[in-house]
Amino acid sequence: GQNIDQPTEMTATEGAIVQINCTYQTSGFNGLFWYQQHAGEAPTFLSYNVLDGLEEKGRFSSFLSRSKGYSYLLLKELQMKDSASYLCAVSESNYQLIWGAGTKLIIKP
Amino acid sequence: IAGITQAPTSQILAAGRRMTLRCTQDMRHNAMYWYRQDLGLGLRLIHYSNTAGTTGKGEVPDGYSVSRANTDDFPLTLASAVPSQTSVYFCASSKTSGGVDEQFFGPGTRLTVL
Repeated sequence: GQNIDQPTEMTATEGAIVQINCTYQTSGFNGLFWYQQHAGEAPTFLSYNVLDGLEEKGRFSSFLSRSKGYSYLLLKELQMKDSASYLCAVSESNYQLIWGAGTKLIIKP
Repeated sequence: IAGITQAPTSQILAAGRRMTLRCTQDMRHNAMYWYRQDLGLGLRLIHYSNTAGTTGKGEVPDGYSVSRANTDDFPLTLASAVPSQTSVYFCASSKTSGGVDEQFFGPGTRLTVL
């Protein structure tokens, strides 16, 4: 069946690095998305991976291993504004997105 | 308008009442989506539209209907609201329906059914 797993909550320190993992089992695969969602707001796009490897975009990087059904989002030089939920979503063979429940990231000074 | 707008921002509704949530985008995107977001669960797709004039059912369509008369508007109707439909509803759009484009989200509608 379809399943996307992410840790429910993580805590990290301002200025540090944090890695948020996502594992998935889906019906087909057309790519994996990461979105950021601040409390009470709409999700906003961070990254899209369809090929294996690391995609870097400023302080944020996203990695994909299709054979392992695994992705991670790496956030460097953490800032207080990075406190948010991070949502992993997979595009299935019918081109619809299946979403994980999200990882709430708490940044402490 | 810039992006996607939703109305109302929030609503308290008596069970059994009919309610339409409005969604409008000005990006000329072909595809539009309605999701609900509940605590502890991922976003769940209710209905989608790949292009004006077509709609499809998502993961949780029961109790909801949609229409797509033009490119810009994608209203979601609850025919007879029930308490389990209490949720935050997000409308989203993407340039194409291929599942590889970024989805842009509206600010959401917080709906409480009593």
